[in-house]
Amino acid sequence: ILNVEQSPQSLHVQEGDSTNFTCSFPSSNFYALHWYRWETAKSPEALFVMTLNGDEKKKGRISATLNTKEGYSYLYIKGSQPEDSATYLCAVRGGGATNKLIFGTGTLLAVQP
Amino acid sequence: DSGVTQTPKHLITATGQRVTLRCSPRSGDLSVYWYQQSLDQGLQFLIQYYNGEERAKGNILERFSAQQFPDLHSELNLSSLELGDSALYFCASSSSRDSLGQFFGPGTRLTVL
Repeated sequence: ILNVEQSPQSLHVQEGDSTNFTCSFPSSNFYALHWYRWETAKSPEALFVMTLNGDEKKKGRISATLNTKEGYSYLYIKGSQPEDSATYLCAVRGGGATNKLIFGTGTLLAVQP
Repeated sequence: DSGVTQTPKHLITATGQRVTLRCSPRSGDLSVYWYQQSLDQGLQFLIQYYNGEERAKGNILERFSAQQFPDLHSELNLSSLELGDSALYFCASSSSRDSLGQFFGPGTRLTVL
C-alpha cells in the first residue's frame, strides 16, 4: 500500500521568510510525484510533476526537488508572501497502467504580513 | 479556472437518499478521476475512468458507483447515504500524457443530514 506522508502538518511564517516542506513516500514502485497548491474555497492547482531522481523544478519563488532513491521531495518557497497561504499537497503515482494518485494530508502554510 | 466543471456546487440531503454528482472534464481529456475529502482526511481516490471504461478503483464503497459517458462527462452516484458520506467530492481530469498533472474541478460539497 502506498503511503504518502507530509510534514510539517502546518506552518506559520512571517512575510519574507523562506520555508520548505517535506513529502515522504515508499521508494519502491514509484512513477511520479505531483505537488499541488490548494487555497481555501478553491480547487487544488497543479504546481509540478516530477519523475526522475534528482529532478528540480521551479515556478517563480517556488521550487521542488525529488529524491526517488530515498523516497522524499522538498518544496521550497523563497520570500513567502501572504498570497502563498494555502495547503500544499503532495501526491504520488505508483507504477501500472493507471494515473491514480495517492495524496498526503498536506502542509497548511499561513504567511503573516 | 481549470476547465473542469462540476455540478451541483452544494447538495444537502437526508440519510438513505441517493444523489448524482456530475463532472465535465477539460476539453480533450480522456481520463476522469473522483476524489473524496472528508473532515480530517486527505484527498481519497475513489475511481478513475478512461475514455468510458473503468481504469482504477480506490476506496470506493459498494453504495457508490460511477460511469463515464460517450461525451466524456462522468457521474458519481451515491446511494443509501449515511452521515459519514458528508464530504467534498472532487472530480479531476488529465490528458493521456499526464505530464501536466491532474486538473481539478471546484468540487461538490455534500451534506447528509
